[in-house]
Amino acid sequence: NAGVTQTPKFRVLKTGQSMTLLCAQDMNHEYMYWYRQDPGMGLRLIHYSVGEGTTAKGEVPDGYNVSRLKKQNFLLGLESAAPSQTSVYFCASKGQNYEQYFGPGTRLTVT
Amino acid sequence: TQLLEQSPQFLSIQEGENLTVYCNSSSVFSSLQWYRQEPGEGPVLLVTVVTGGEVKKLKRLTFQFGDARKDSSLHITAAQPGDTGLYLCAGTPIRSGTYKYIFGTGTRLKVLA
Repeated sequence: NAGVTQTPKFRVLKTGQSMTLLCAQDMNHEYMYWYRQDPGMGLRLIHYSVGEGTTAKGEVPDGYNVSRLKKQNFLLGLESAAPSQTSVYFCASKGQNYEQYFGPGTRLTVT
Repeated sequence: TQLLEQSPQFLSIQEGENLTVYCNSSSVFSSLQWYRQEPGEGPVLLVTVVTGGEVKKLKRLTFQFGDARKDSSLHITAAQPGDTGLYLCAGTPIRSGTYKYIFGTGTRLKVLA
């Protein structure tokens, strides 16, 4: 089992560019999450999904879109990147208990 | 709005010392988790507590959930350099169901040899 994987690991974007972050899990989990982690802010929930085909907004959804077309994948899109979106992005998945499994993160810099 | 406050934010101690990290809120949680995060990696779950007053032990780590399920503490006995890392608490607010998490701001621990 690979657990939760994220691609890419690093990315540098210019303001206004777009990109998609991919998260994949092989644990057949229903719930998937996208967080961002900034210094002194802990992890903040961007969007989440409770099952294939469903998504919902989290705490800081503005500037991001998501899709969950397949149960194992959760995509996070930035349509027009801004410097304020410079952060480390973590994907997580969860089964029927409380434990979240996290991916290794994507470090994004927007110049 | 950040609902979970952790203290202290930073802690630097000598090997062998004891320490306690606190996670406080005015909200009630149906569950609370503690994670440890190493540089360049995602958080890894240490423990989940779900019952008010619950105490769980993991080797030298003791976790307690407050009676009212609004706060939690992590106590480390005889800290070792391997305990160095970022400790995060996270909870599922009772009004949000059992699948939506709020994270604390984290406590960065450094244990000196």
